[in-house]
Amino acid sequence: QKEVEQNSGPLSVPEGAIASLNCTYSDRGSQSFFWYRQYSGKSPELIMFIYSNGDKEDGRFTAQLNKASQYVSLLIRDSQPSDSATYLCAPGGTGRRALTFGSGTRLQVQP
Amino acid sequence: KAGVTQTPRYLIKTRGQQVTLSCSPISGHRSVSWYQQTPGQGLQFLFEYFSETQRNKGNFPGRFSGRQFSNSRSEMNVSTLELGDSALYLCASSPGTLPAYEQYFGPGTRLTVT
Repeated sequence: QKEVEQNSGPLSVPEGAIASLNCTYSDRGSQSFFWYRQYSGKSPELIMFIYSNGDKEDGRFTAQLNKASQYVSLLIRDSQPSDSATYLCAPGGTGRRALTFGSGTRLQVQP
Repeated sequence: KAGVTQTPRYLIKTRGQQVTLSCSPISGHRSVSWYQQTPGQGLQFLFEYFSETQRNKGNFPGRFSGRQFSNSRSEMNVSTLELGDSALYLCASSPGTLPAYEQYFGPGTRLTVT
């Protein structure tokens, strides 16, 4: 079992819809969760992080964390074609020696 | 603040050669991590430096090494290059004192080994 699992996609949604990106992790000691966006040919960009169970909202982005289920998700509301990218999930936190990245989910927003 | 910078941006080397990549973190960040990204393996952790000390290391052979200077700038070196070392090498800096928290990536160095 991989330490971080993400559906590779592509996840295709129409412009204006909600995109839901999911991530499961195996290390119960993970305390912090980071979402990165990576455009093709570019480096990853940190867009959200969440430390506590529940939801965290930032603009059109909402991160959801359920530690009991070892599940973290990213919702993108009112998806735009500019959101088309690969989204990487990375658990981290105290006691871990590094962020461990999932393989990413490729999102395609259709105009 | 200026972001993380990496030089060079592109590099072509021949198998058997060695290469040194450079990274300047965001001002004030003392932790620098290095990652290798390939289409097949994704983003893989190489090592992390904090205050000039290698604090953590990933599962890469000894041909991969690094160092950090007193101004937090970091270099990584790959000796005896192999074709499989062709990848995007990413440096990330972190504002905190712990390794596995928010990190900010540089643009990367695209290494091609022929």
